[in-house]
Amino acid sequence: GNSVTQMEGPVTLSEEAFLTINCTYTATGYPSLFWYVQYPGEGLQLLLKATKADDKGSNKGFEATYRKETTSFHLEKGSVQVSDSAVYFCALSHLAGGTSYGKLTFGQGTILTVHP
Amino acid sequence: EPEVTQTPSHQVTQMGQEVILRCVPISNHLYFYWYRQILGQKVEFLVSFYNNEISEKSEIFDDQFSVERPDGSNFTLKIRSTKLEDSAMYFCARSTGSNQPQHFGDGTRLSIL
Repeated sequence: GNSVTQMEGPVTLSEEAFLTINCTYTATGYPSLFWYVQYPGEGLQLLLKATKADDKGSNKGFEATYRKETTSFHLEKGSVQVSDSAVYFCALSHLAGGTSYGKLTFGQGTILTVHP
Repeated sequence: EPEVTQTPSHQVTQMGQEVILRCVPISNHLYFYWYRQILGQKVEFLVSFYNNEISEKSEIFDDQFSVERPDGSNFTLKIRSTKLEDSAMYFCARSTGSNQPQHFGDGTRLSIL
């Protein structure tokens, strides 16, 4: 079945540091890939997406590139801010011959804390 | 994208009682989903709902669970006889298409005593 594996957390960085959160997936065919972010006390918010190989999703300074050859979708940001402190979830959605109605399979989440 | 609203934000219930969690609809959303997140664990898919019927469900979604969207009103998740292990955050998600991004509510924290 489909699965998503994220790097273990928590991740603690100083403001303006470079961020990478690794995400790899297992799936047949061509899933769509997503990063969701969960700020304290809030729900899941879509951060970015990519729907096919070599697509780069980007938003709010975050980027992730869909790498089919390595089955990866690593999240990066060049300079993090305190306000980026949150839990980040990698997820995939797979339309298997049209029989799947887009359910998301999530990674375990990575807690990011950014200090001033 | 319009905000997804869930009610209540927190529900405390005695074991064995029924609970109903609600998700406020947006008219152009056709696909609805429920997920849950047990504390410290992954977000897990429960069920998807399209055209007023269940389109897919996970092994978690057993006979104790049901969903409905009566007359285009709130999309609800009902747990008939709650167990301690049902304690979790329950998220509603909606999208305009099965291959479109899903947008989540802030969740309902369900605590079973």
